[in-house]
Amino acid sequence: TQLLEQSPQFLSIQEGENLTVYCNSSSVFSSLQWYRQEPGEGPVLLVTVVTGGEVKKLKRLTFQFGDARKDSSLHITAAQPGDTGLYLCAGVPLDDAGNMLTFGGGTRLMVKP
Amino acid sequence: DVKVTQSSRYLVKRTGEKVFLECVQDMDHENMFWYRQDPGLGLRLIYFSYDVKMKEKGDIPEGYSVSREKKERFSLILESASTNQTSMYLCASSLGPGWGSYEQYFGPGTRLTVT
Repeated sequence: TQLLEQSPQFLSIQEGENLTVYCNSSSVFSSLQWYRQEPGEGPVLLVTVVTGGEVKKLKRLTFQFGDARKDSSLHITAAQPGDTGLYLCAGVPLDDAGNMLTFGGGTRLMVKP
Repeated sequence: DVKVTQSSRYLVKRTGEKVFLECVQDMDHENMFWYRQDPGLGLRLIYFSYDVKMKEKGDIPEGYSVSREKKERFSLILESASTNQTSMYLCASSLGPGWGSYEQYFGPGTRLTVT
């Protein structure tokens, strides 16, 4: 079982549809990061959410950090083929003495034209 | 912008060969990391370094070693490559001090095939 569970694992939608992906944990995080990884490339940082309840927008992408700082969501409005990729959440749980960044398993999104 | 570069995008090696993967970052970051990424297993940390000549084992260090002689450069070494080391290898760096919750910046990855 991963510390950060992402759902769904796979999502295939048509261009123009909306979608939400989730990143859940039983642990509390000081912050959570979201990355997007395009096929054949390394992950690229999209955003960091820090405060419980925080909402951040990046064009058509909306990121929310749960009030209890145990979960986060990413909502994409009017998805485009360029949004295709693997979406990863990552964070350091507050009770982790090793203080290592841990990654979720990812949501693989395909947006068809 | 932070730039992390990796020496090769694609590499094919034979079983038993010694393999060197190099990573360079240009933003004076304290921390550098090596991960491997496999379908269904996600990103797994092999080794990381928080300073020159300092290294720490990650979750799967067996079969690998690392070297950090200069701050900007972190090398991953496969002492004797095996087929189960076929994977995508990703290098990352982060600011520091401390290695925890700083955002990580990744290189483009090296897809290694061991035959």
